[in-house]
Amino acid sequence: KAGVTQTPRYLIKTRGQQVTLSCSPISGHRSVSWYQQTPGQGLQFLFEYFSETQRNKGNFPGRFSGRQFSNSRSEMNVSTLELGDSALYLCASSLDASGMTGELFFGEGSRLTVL
Amino acid sequence: QKEVEQNSGPLSVPEGAIASLNCTYSDRGSQSFFWYRQYSGKSPELIMFIYSNGDKEDGRFTAQLNKASQYVSLLIRDSQPSDSATYLCAALNYGGSQGNLIFGKGTKLSVKP
Repeated sequence: KAGVTQTPRYLIKTRGQQVTLSCSPISGHRSVSWYQQTPGQGLQFLFEYFSETQRNKGNFPGRFSGRQFSNSRSEMNVSTLELGDSALYLCASSLDASGMTGELFFGEGSRLTVL
Repeated sequence: QKEVEQNSGPLSVPEGAIASLNCTYSDRGSQSFFWYRQYSGKSPELIMFIYSNGDKEDGRFTAQLNKASQYVSLLIRDSQPSDSATYLCAALNYGGSQGNLIFGKGTKLSVKP
């Protein structure tokens, strides 16, 4: 059974640019959550999508957005990049809404560096 | 602000010893608790969860929950060097359909051979 796949794994951008990250969940999983991980703040919840609907959103500015497609694949977008956006972005899938199970399966992450 | 607090460590224990990892949470509405393990350069993976007060054992791992004290712990018996990782505690408040996991910043465990 294939795990959660995130692309790209590494990317370097400059301030002001935008970036799109992609996540393919485990087959059959309908929920996709996105987290930002930094050494100082740890894992911080960005948002969750379930059946193409955003179910929950963390405390991040509107520059961070996402969507989910009918095949459960998800993308997140960060516009007008800032240096502080440098982080590991983790996608996690779950069979049901993560808010109901807490059992998340994480991808390997996309490491974003903003110069 | 819902928070989960963990000692960042590093916690260093000798091989074969018991490692004790602790976590406190601020949201009394939290109902389920999870321990994720994250090896350096890898993504987190779920190792245990606990819903009820008391102990829950799974192999060398024991999770303990005390809701009155808002305290969760993870004991690792017979610690092995392969247990060296960062352990993330997470709390879940179902809150209807809007719940999400709140993670602590993790405790780094180092098991010395």
